[in-house]
Amino acid sequence: DQQVKQNSPSLSVQEGRISILNCDYTNSMFDYFLWYKKYPAEGPTFLISISSIKDKNEDGRFTVFLNKSAKHLSLHIVPSQPGDSAVYFCAASGNFGNEKLTFGTGTRLTIIP
Amino acid sequence: ETGVTQSPTHLIKTRGQQVTLRCSSQSGHNTVSWYQQALGQGPQFIFQYYREEENGRGNFPPRFSGLQFPNYSSELNVNALELDDSALYLCASSTGSDNEKLFFGSGTQLSVL
Repeated sequence: DQQVKQNSPSLSVQEGRISILNCDYTNSMFDYFLWYKKYPAEGPTFLISISSIKDKNEDGRFTVFLNKSAKHLSLHIVPSQPGDSAVYFCAASGNFGNEKLTFGTGTRLTIIP
Repeated sequence: ETGVTQSPTHLIKTRGQQVTLRCSSQSGHNTVSWYQQALGQGPQFIFQYYREEENGRGNFPPRFSGLQFPNYSSELNVNALELDDSALYLCASSTGSDNEKLFFGSGTQLSVL
């Protein structure tokens, strides 16, 4: 029962262009969403989050959009840089982030120089 | 400020054996969570410890058990190992239930033969 889904296992984007990573969820109790980034041989690191009371959150080159009615969120990276090449995990939580994280399966992003 | 460290980095066991994985939390953190990441999957929550008490558990059988020590370091024990237990085991520490401040270690790669 995959409650958080990332349907694209991989994505390749030209350097300088926009990268868009998508995530869908099925559990209506989720009200807090996070993106983590993982490099090989390292643990995931927190990137950006959004609460269900918002539909957009920005942090520098990273923007997360939330569409509650569609149970869909996306991460936009612009402009994409070679250092952004990594695996990106979408994660969801209940109780406004105070419950355990449920992760998606990840999307491997490759930025082409 | 030292980060989250896990040992060992790699481990090979045979079916039926028992294993202990160790985690030193980041300085000042009193909460430790353990996640299992199988190949091609996202991390799955095993359990969380807060001030030496279990504080939430995922859908894992009782042969997965843990401990947290007074210095907030932690152990994950798995008894009667099965082939499907082969995975990357991630430890994450935090100062409470704030998922944005979850700091992950690099993980222990367990192979069960």
